[in-house]
This record gives sequence, C-alpha cells and structure tokens, in this order.
Amino acid sequence: GQQLNQSPQSMFIQEGEDVSMNCTSSSIFNTWLWYKQDPGEGPVLLIALYKAGELTSNGRLTAQFGITRKDSFLNISASIPSDVGIYFCAGLGTASKLTFGTGTRLQVTL
Amino acid sequence: EAQVTQNPRYLITVTGKKLTVTCSQNMNHEYMSWYRQDPGLGLRQIYYSMNVEVTDKGDVPEGYKVSRKEKRNFPLILESPSPNQTSLYFCASIGRPRAGDEQYFGPGTRLTVT
Repeated sequence: GQQLNQSPQSMFIQEGEDVSMNCTSSSIFNTWLWYKQDPGEGPVLLIALYKAGELTSNGRLTAQFGITRKDSFLNISASIPSDVGIYFCAGLGTASKLTFGTGTRLQVTL
Repeated sequence: EAQVTQNPRYLITVTGKKLTVTCSQNMNHEYMSWYRQDPGLGLRQIYYSMNVEVTDKGDVPEGYKVSRKEKRNFPLILESPSPNQTSLYFCASIGRPRAGDEQYFGPGTRLTVT
C-alpha cells in the first residue's frame, strides 16, 4: 500500500525555536491533514487543507497544501514543551481512504 | 461528548486464539476505519466501512476480518492471531469523508501476540 514520505523522522529542538516538517507523495491528494499523537493516545487532527496552494493557521501552527497537490508542509512557531509528540501528515484520497506519513517525532528541550 | 471507544485497551494473547477488538462511536458517523501503527511505518489502514454492511480492504487486510452490522459498531476480528500482528491498533470514524475536520480516533488497543 502507498505511504507518504515524511521528513525529518525526528527532531530535537530547544524551546522557542521554530519547527518545519514536510510530506511528499507520488500521487495527488485532494485533502491534506496534519495530526499530532501524544504518548498512549490516538492521533488528533490539527489542520485540514482542502485546496492546492492553501495556507492555513491554527494558533502557532501553519500548514500549506502544495501547488502540485503532492506535498504539504507544517510549521510550528516558538515551540513549547507540550509540542512534544509525533506529527503525522495524511492524504485523503478516493473512497475516503486516508494514507498516513511515517511520522516526525518532535522533542523539545528547555 | 463525541467519542470513539475501543476495548480492550491492552491485550496479551497467544498464537491462534481468536480475539475481537470492539470499536464504537456515538456520532452517527457512516465511515469507520481500522489502522495499525508500527514503529517507523506510521499508521496503515486495515479495513474500512462506508456504511452498514459495506466494508472494504485497506492496505494491510491479511489476517483480519471486520463486520458492520450497525452504524455505531465496527469490531476488528483476528481469527488466528500471529506474532506479526503484535501492534497498536486504532479505530477511527469520520463524519464527512470529504471534509477533514470531523475525524475522530479511538484511544488505541495495544495487542501482543506471543
């Protein structure tokens, strides 16, 4: 089955730094989603993108839907300790099928 | 409160002993799905259901069965579990499949098959 390439795999940053991660696909998606997963819990939706070129913010998070519809980016500004977790991108394709990226593990040090 | 519940949360079993993981949602969603999560592989879809009595295979359906006899429940069945099915399992429901903003995941079931 298809998987999305997500990078980086992990990041260690200091509190206050900005973070960027991205996701690429060999096929087109009509919707891109970004999730965060805390330890021992299920993924929680952060941002949904519906249109190529769209830039959407949710607090300190900003995500973009690539123009080619084959990629997406997530930025977190001024990171704080509670940003720690695993971030997943996902593409929503035909038949409502969600394809997930491999995840970016974020660690924030004080 | 909108919720997806899964039971059990943790399960240790032996090879070949049939088991069922239940999933229930209280949002009247039509679309439900099962995923497994393995280190370095992200979440991979096992089966999904677009409505009652409508189920279809995801990316990794081998060794699993599902049923959708009523809208709120979508159990995952392992008829003869094997060690390679040791994983973290998530059930999800989606209110509007073409809209990303009504996606809900359950808390997960950690399964160990010895």
